[in-house]
Amino acid sequence: QSALTQPASVSGSPGQSITISCTGTSSDVGSYNLVSWYQQHPGKAPKVMIYEVSKRPSGVSNRFSGSKSGNTASLTISGLQAEDEADYYCCSYAGSSTLVVFGGGTKLTVL
Amino acid sequence: QVQLQESGPGLVKPSETLSLTCTVSGGSISNYYWSWIRQPAGKGLEWIGRIYTSGSTNYNPSLKSRVTMSVDTSKNQFSLKLSSVTAADTAVYYCARGPVNWGAFDYWGQGTLVTVSS
Repeated sequence: QSALTQPASVSGSPGQSITISCTGTSSDVGSYNLVSWYQQHPGKAPKVMIYEVSKRPSGVSNRFSGSKSGNTASLTISGLQAEDEADYYCCSYAGSSTLVVFGGGTKLTVL
Repeated sequence: QVQLQESGPGLVKPSETLSLTCTVSGGSISNYYWSWIRQPAGKGLEWIGRIYTSGSTNYNPSLKSRVTMSVDTSKNQFSLKLSSVTAADTAVYYCARGPVNWGAFDYWGQGTLVTVSS
């Protein structure tokens, strides 16, 4: 069982927007603005899409955005494209004892 | 462009020690944190630990008793040793840069599959 909870799957049609949630606790997501999101295509390494809750690395499309409210972080993808179909993982700093926790991953299907 | 490449045996016997090396190219290994992350087939990601180029380490508490990381700045490499392995340690092992200030892992290796089996 992963420390952060994500829906197993989400889907959307091209052009639509979807949001993936990542629920933690007051010991991780709720206490630190250190949530990151990773996209992973089958057989490939993960790629950072969002860091520090809402910052986008250079080269990542502005269709990807992140936010946080309380113990839940969210990744929103707008203007869905076929290439967005992948697994998405959230990650958070969890304090000096646990350090780093990942979510269980969400499979995004573009219909 | 920074590139990372994992290397090491793809098959390890139960109770033995898994050893992997990550070679960094396209940039210096110095003054960064470097991590190991694993992913069992069909499952999620698990952070194993990180090492700074000074040799300072932080490990996942659930694996801490079995993990040792080291760094060789002269070779631009860092390494992972995981002792007393079982079938549960079978996974794709990734090396990655970061997390800086516990923020993000910004560069990743392609991953290497390690199978624990007799």
